[in-house]
Amino acid sequence: EIVLTQSPGTLSLSPGERATLSCRASQSVSSTYLAWYQQKPGQAPRLLIYAASTRATGIPDRFSGSGSGTDFTLTVTRLEPEDFAVYYCQHYGSSRWTFGQGTKVEIK
Amino acid sequence: QVQLVQSGAEVKKPGASVKVSCKASGFIFSTYAFTWVRQAPGQGLEWMGWISAYNGDTKYPLNLQGRVTLTTDTSTSTAYMELRSLTSDDTAVYYCARVESGIIDSWGLGTLVTVSS
Repeated sequence: EIVLTQSPGTLSLSPGERATLSCRASQSVSSTYLAWYQQKPGQAPRLLIYAASTRATGIPDRFSGSGSGTDFTLTVTRLEPEDFAVYYCQHYGSSRWTFGQGTKVEIK
Repeated sequence: QVQLVQSGAEVKKPGASVKVSCKASGFIFSTYAFTWVRQAPGQGLEWMGWISAYNGDTKYPLNLQGRVTLTTDTSTSTAYMELRSLTSDDTAVYYCARVESGIIDSWGLGTLVTVSS
């Protein structure tokens, strides 16, 4: 089973700053099968990025994904107030799916 | 529009079973797969398995295999998740979600299952 490790656990930033979130896989995964989700308190997660770098419908272009192999990154170029949330990466290949443990982006 | 409407909150005793439903609308149910994800209080997301509504194929994580069963009813466009032998560790919000080409693109609002004696 692939283990996804996200870092940092918490990111304290101000609105307008750049956020860089990391997701590291325990073994190489196809970038085709790597997604990112955003979750706000009391809400279901929302798909942001799939296939490592493709934005889901309606997702602003300040969100971008990159990476390959074992190292993947979610970048938010300029944080808006509504972007403060928890972010999860997920592997969804043909094997069993897994989520990272999450990165909380909080207001500094 | 895509809607996934889940059944209401449940309170169960240890050792019991729970079955959560997820009624879909706004799309052709049988052409998609569905997954279930749970989230214990204050914790992260845990994948519980997926099922193809087209052919009934399923896949479960090793830690839940044998205790969880996913089913679908195409006549009512409803997906189900049954979890048996409940313990307090199963207290969580359970989400159903639609899957397209492996991507979880729509989520239900969640169902709180509380296991308590």
